[in-house]
Amino acid sequence: GAGVSQSPSNKVTEKGKDVELRCDPISGHTALYWYRQRLGQGLEFLIYFQGNSAPDKSGLPSDRFSAERTGESVSTLTIQRTQQEDSAVYLCASSLVSRGGNTIYFGEGSWLTVV
Amino acid sequence: GDSVTQMEGPVTLSEEAFLTINCTYTATGYPSLFWYVQYPGEGLQLLLKATKADDKGSNKGFEATYRKETTSFHLEKGSVQVSDSAVYFCALSNFATQGGSEKLVFGKGTKLTVNP
Repeated sequence: GAGVSQSPSNKVTEKGKDVELRCDPISGHTALYWYRQRLGQGLEFLIYFQGNSAPDKSGLPSDRFSAERTGESVSTLTIQRTQQEDSAVYLCASSLVSRGGNTIYFGEGSWLTVV
Repeated sequence: GDSVTQMEGPVTLSEEAFLTINCTYTATGYPSLFWYVQYPGEGLQLLLKATKADDKGSNKGFEATYRKETTSFHLEKGSVQVSDSAVYFCALSNFATQGGSEKLVFGKGTKLTVNP
C-alpha cells in the first residue's frame, strides 16, 4: 500500500489478556519503529528494527512487551498480561535508511483499551 | 540523552492571528529537527523538517528555522486558519549518536485551537 498500515485500529481487551498489534510498513522501507502515545501525552519510543541488525529494544517498558519483524516487512507488537496502564495508541512508523534527516512516516495507530 | 522541550498548551487563537510554538532541544552533535502535526482523528504527519543549522523548513504556510546557537526550532505561521487546529509535536533525530537509527525524540505536544 501507499502508507503504513496498522491493525486493528481499535482493540478493547480484558486485563490479563494478551494482545497482538500488526504493522505493514511502506514497501521498500527498511527501518520500522513502534511508539506509544498515552492520552494527553507525547510519544514514547518502544522499539526499532533495521534490516538484519539486532533491534533496539531500549524503549520497551517491561518484559510483557515484545515485537518481531519478518524480514523487511510486517511487524507484530505483542503485549502479554495486559494492564490498564497499557491503554494507549500504539503507532508504527517506517523510513528509508540513509545518512540522516530521513522522513519517518506513521500509521494511524492501534487504539488499545484495557478494561 | 537527547531531549525536546516545547511550550505547553493548549493554545487558543482567533483566525488570522500569528502563531508561535516554541521548541528547544538538547542533543550532542547535529541532530535533524522536525515538526509533526496530528489533526483530530488522524495519524501523525510530518509538517516540516530541517537537517542542518540555519535551514528553514516550510510547508502549508508554517515555517521553522534551525537555530544552533539557541538550540531552537520554533514553529511560526503568520495567519492561522480554523483548519490548523491540531496537536503539534516538535521532534529530533540524531543519526550519529543513535547507532544509525532515525529514532525520533518527541516533545509532549502543543494543542492548538483556532476559533473563527
